[in-house]
Amino acid sequence: DAKTTQPPSMDCAEGRAANLPCNHSTISGNEYVYWYRQIHSQGPQYIIHGLKNNETNEMASLIITEDRKSSTLILPHATLRDTAVYYCIVRVPGNQFYFGTGTSLTVIP
Amino acid sequence: KAGVTQTPRYLIKTRGQQVTLSCSPISGHRSVSWYQQTPGQGLQFLFEYFSETQRNKGNFPGRFSGRQFSNSRSEMNVSTLELGDSALYLCASSRAGLAATEAFFGQGTRLTVV
Repeated sequence: DAKTTQPPSMDCAEGRAANLPCNHSTISGNEYVYWYRQIHSQGPQYIIHGLKNNETNEMASLIITEDRKSSTLILPHATLRDTAVYYCIVRVPGNQFYFGTGTSLTVIP
Repeated sequence: KAGVTQTPRYLIKTRGQQVTLSCSPISGHRSVSWYQQTPGQGLQFLFEYFSETQRNKGNFPGRFSGRQFSNSRSEMNVSTLELGDSALYLCASSRAGLAATEAFFGQGTRLTVV
């Protein structure tokens, strides 16, 4: 069963930051938060992951609250190519991803 | 470096037949996991293989099986196909299958059962 809750859809203006929230209130201490996105039923693309510290890479930033019950994925300058379904996932030990329904992000010109 | 390769990309089968899908992981990756994606159920975990052993299994019937070879390539097999097995089947590979390492997905095999 999915361990995350995300809004079903969001819009973002091109060039602006996209902030995608995720709730994972039942996350355990050794479970990581992962973010993937999927475009047009292609394979999910890895974005970023973290345990308890904030993380940043060339694609995005991940902000995890201190109690680890929620997190936010930040795309700093959204482009039209960022339109996709974004999945926030809790990854349990053993390489299992429990996908929820994700957030459909639409970047508007 | 080459990504995760799944073959074939598209497949059409008849009810009652069986099918074998293949996944070649990224070089050096020893963990391969499989997922089924349908419009109604979303992405669901099927099973995971590490060093030729099934390490975890999702909640799917025994018609769904898999294996992993010594070169880490993996196959999944679905026997006695049903219409509801029509889906995008995805595999993901990672170095050791640990929660702290990234997993990379292939482009999937689109199976249509008629």
